[in-house]
Amino acid sequence: AQRVTQPEKLLSVFKGAPVELKCNYSYSGSPELFWYVQYSRQRLQLLLRHISRESIKGFTADLNKGETSFHLKKPFAQEEDSAMYYCALLRGGNKLTFGTGTQLKVEL
Amino acid sequence: GAVVSQHPSWVICKSGTSVKIECRSLDFQATTMFWYRQFPKQSLMLMATSNEGSKATYEQGVEKDKFLINHASLTLSTLTVTSAHPEDSSFYICSANRGPPGSSGANVLTFGAGSRLTVL
Repeated sequence: AQRVTQPEKLLSVFKGAPVELKCNYSYSGSPELFWYVQYSRQRLQLLLRHISRESIKGFTADLNKGETSFHLKKPFAQEEDSAMYYCALLRGGNKLTFGTGTQLKVEL
Repeated sequence: GAVVSQHPSWVICKSGTSVKIECRSLDFQATTMFWYRQFPKQSLMLMATSNEGSKATYEQGVEKDKFLINHASLTLSTLTVTSAHPEDSSFYICSANRGPPGSSGANVLTFGAGSRLTVL
């Protein structure tokens, strides 16, 4: 069965500290993974996808098939990074399975 | 570009009544839209896939007679919660693929702002 696990409900870091939001997945096929972000009072939006291999707002995520992980990282957290982050796995061609989300709080 | 509008943003209704939520793609055509449900502090759960011109496909455990989906045009999908009860109170979110199959935007979802339903 397809499953996405985000073990941390809340992650609190200080401004300027490194950030790592964990995501593990379970999928029998070739995975396509995404990170979506929801800022306060805004709708969910795409942050990045693993096939693009790009850095958005300083965030990167590498797909590790051996560890079945797709952790989201940023070397130096900014206050504006505070948001809810969802890891998502594409299944069935066009459907997304979301993790439970991690609330990132960047403190000054 | 790629904006999805959802209406109403919140609605309160009496138990037993039906409520319709609209999802529109404003500047692109969406042959496929998706309806999610989100409980407080929980993840988004896919309810159904809305296909333009054909029947929606529902996820396991979702009652199709309870949650009626109509996708009559390339820019509009509607979700009707029939005979609503308090347990149907939730946040309903729609989304659409940004691009057609095979394009770079094919598997990238644009989300609506959501509709909060409260059934008294």
